[in-house]
Amino acid sequence: AQSVTQLDSQVPVFEEAPVELRCNYSSSVSVYLFWYVQYPNQGLQLLLKYLSGSTLVKGINGFEAEFNKSQTSFHLRKPSVHISDTAEYFCAVTMTGGGNKLTFGTGTQLKVEL
Amino acid sequence: NAGVMQNPRHLVRRRGQEARLRCSPVKGHSHVYWYRQLPEEGLKFMVYLQKENIIDESGMPKERFSAEFPKEGPSILRIQQVVRGDSAAYFCASSSSGASNTEAFFGQGTRLTVV
Repeated sequence: AQSVTQLDSQVPVFEEAPVELRCNYSSSVSVYLFWYVQYPNQGLQLLLKYLSGSTLVKGINGFEAEFNKSQTSFHLRKPSVHISDTAEYFCAVTMTGGGNKLTFGTGTQLKVEL
Repeated sequence: NAGVMQNPRHLVRRRGQEARLRCSPVKGHSHVYWYRQLPEEGLKFMVYLQKENIIDESGMPKERFSAEFPKEGPSILRIQQVVRGDSAAYFCASSSSGASNTEAFFGQGTRLTVV
């Protein structure tokens, strides 16, 4: 079984400041990793995913994440946030070769302030 | 090119009533997943269906919950005799294959409130 831990439930940050949202996972098998964003009263939108290859993954809206196998982490970063980035961010994993069933973290609420 | 459509967006039921949640996947997608999001929590997997077949229902409560994905028409998540604890947002996702590296597209969810 897999599990995902998002260490910060809320992250306040000022506009144009950098941000890092932390994600750690636990799994006995190899996994694929994802970050999703959820705007208020909306569904989830895929930001980026790590399947294989380069451990630095670039996604939409200027976000990127780095897969660190030794630390079982997949932290999400953005060098300069915008007010419109205010949303809930979810880290998720699925087993490679195990179907598309996702295990989600509890989410991090990013609040960007002026 | 419509994405995943869920309806209704909001549903209010009294305790003991039945709730039916519908999900129309992306056109051409035959794989559907249902997730439940309780307040202040992440999404929890409930069930995975592939046209007319339940592939994985390991996240479904043993009683009162059922799901189907008929040959024609949307996928339905049915909750019988709802209780207050069923109040949650229910999300449907679809994908073009069951492979784990295939992107799953999510609907906007149905927010169920049991009063």
